[in-house]
Amino acid sequence: DSGVTQTPKHLITATGQRVTLRCSPRSGDLSVYWYQQSLDQGLQFLIQYYNGEERAKGNILERFSAQQFPDLHSELNLSSLELGDSALYFCASGGLAVNTGELFFGEGSRLTVL
Amino acid sequence: GENVEQHPSTLSVQEGDSAVIKCTYSDSASNYFPWYKQELGKRPQLIIDIRSNVGEKKDQRIAVTLNKTAKHFSLHITETQPEDSAVYFCAAIRNSNYQLIWGAGTKLIIKP
Repeated sequence: DSGVTQTPKHLITATGQRVTLRCSPRSGDLSVYWYQQSLDQGLQFLIQYYNGEERAKGNILERFSAQQFPDLHSELNLSSLELGDSALYFCASGGLAVNTGELFFGEGSRLTVL
Repeated sequence: GENVEQHPSTLSVQEGDSAVIKCTYSDSASNYFPWYKQELGKRPQLIIDIRSNVGEKKDQRIAVTLNKTAKHFSLHITETQPEDSAVYFCAAIRNSNYQLIWGAGTKLIIKP
């Protein structure tokens, strides 16, 4: 158990819909990272938050948005869903700086868009 | 910006043999290089890491080497076992911006 909790574990929805994925970081971790992993693909960095503020943005579509709340949990919102958005979405948390320790990943939320 | 290239994309080795996965990075300011293992359907997990002030680090059957001059680092797995079958990701980070740049991953297959 990494200490990072993601919900829901599985989600099936239709094209055009909107979903929200939730992540609770490890206790004490201030940074939250979101990644998208399509089938047999690598880890695509979406966005990073640190203590409530956006720290870095990767290849995140305009249809996607995220935020980190005062209690440090984070939500990733995916709207106007397309078939290609079907993927495993990972949340990871770390400390002040990634290079001072490892990144802890949640189990992921598997999104299927039909 | 930083770019990390990882080779090979797929590696098949006989059980008991060694496996080597290589990564190159472009940003000479990168100073931390972790390796993550992702088993099928599971989350990535850190297996070993190395910092730029060290040339080699070993943990039982796995080791990582770093060549700062050539800007490449490698993962070495000796005496491979079936449970080593997984996708391995390398990454590089520069302290100044805390951004972890990932390699594309290597699928390691251990043949019995």
